[in-house]
Amino acid sequence: GNSVTQMEGPVTLSEEAFLTINCTYTATGYPSLFWYVQYPGEGLQLLLKATKADDKGSNKGFEATYRKETTSFHLEKGSVQVSDSAVYFCALIDTSGYALNFGKGTSLLVTP
Amino acid sequence: NAGVMQNPRHLVRRRGQEARLRCSPMKGHSHVYWYRQLPEEGLKFMVYLQKENIIDESGMPKERFSAEFPKEGPSILRIQQVVRGDSAAYFCASSLTRTSKSSYNEQFFGPGTRLTVL
Repeated sequence: GNSVTQMEGPVTLSEEAFLTINCTYTATGYPSLFWYVQYPGEGLQLLLKATKADDKGSNKGFEATYRKETTSFHLEKGSVQVSDSAVYFCALIDTSGYALNFGKGTSLLVTP
Repeated sequence: NAGVMQNPRHLVRRRGQEARLRCSPMKGHSHVYWYRQLPEEGLKFMVYLQKENIIDESGMPKERFSAEFPKEGPSILRIQQVVRGDSAAYFCASSLTRTSKSSYNEQFFGPGTRLTVL
């Protein structure tokens, strides 16, 4: 079935550093891809999504491009802030068409 | 507009007891999904429900687990005779309409219930 693999954490960065969190997928066809973020004590929030190849999702300074050649959907941000400290999950829709398959999550800590 | 509510946030049970987890979807949402996150794992789909109907329970263990979403009231995930391996975070999500391959309708997640089985 459809699945994602994302880089293990934790990732620790200084404020204003560049962020990349790698995510690759295995899928039948080209399912929609997502990045979710979970802030401490809260539920998962949709950060951005891309519904077809070459789409770029963006939100709050984060970006990810759906690349079918490399089956990747890496999350990037040019300058992280302390408030970006959270757990980030890469996900895709599985073959059911409604269930989300998540990666294990990558914990990000941004220090002042 | 309140988000998805889950309670309790933390639940401790001894082996053999029952655990009941509640999920109130966002207002107007009639589609509910339950996911489980085992330690060091990503979230795994368990069950998809609409009001009074189970649409897909393929991700839910056949024994001891059940779920319902009655016409009135929250969705309930019930685990009977809990074992240590049931210790996990259980997340509920809701959507306004059904998500499909061609039309993604965002699933809004609750904060989760962390179940600890002693």
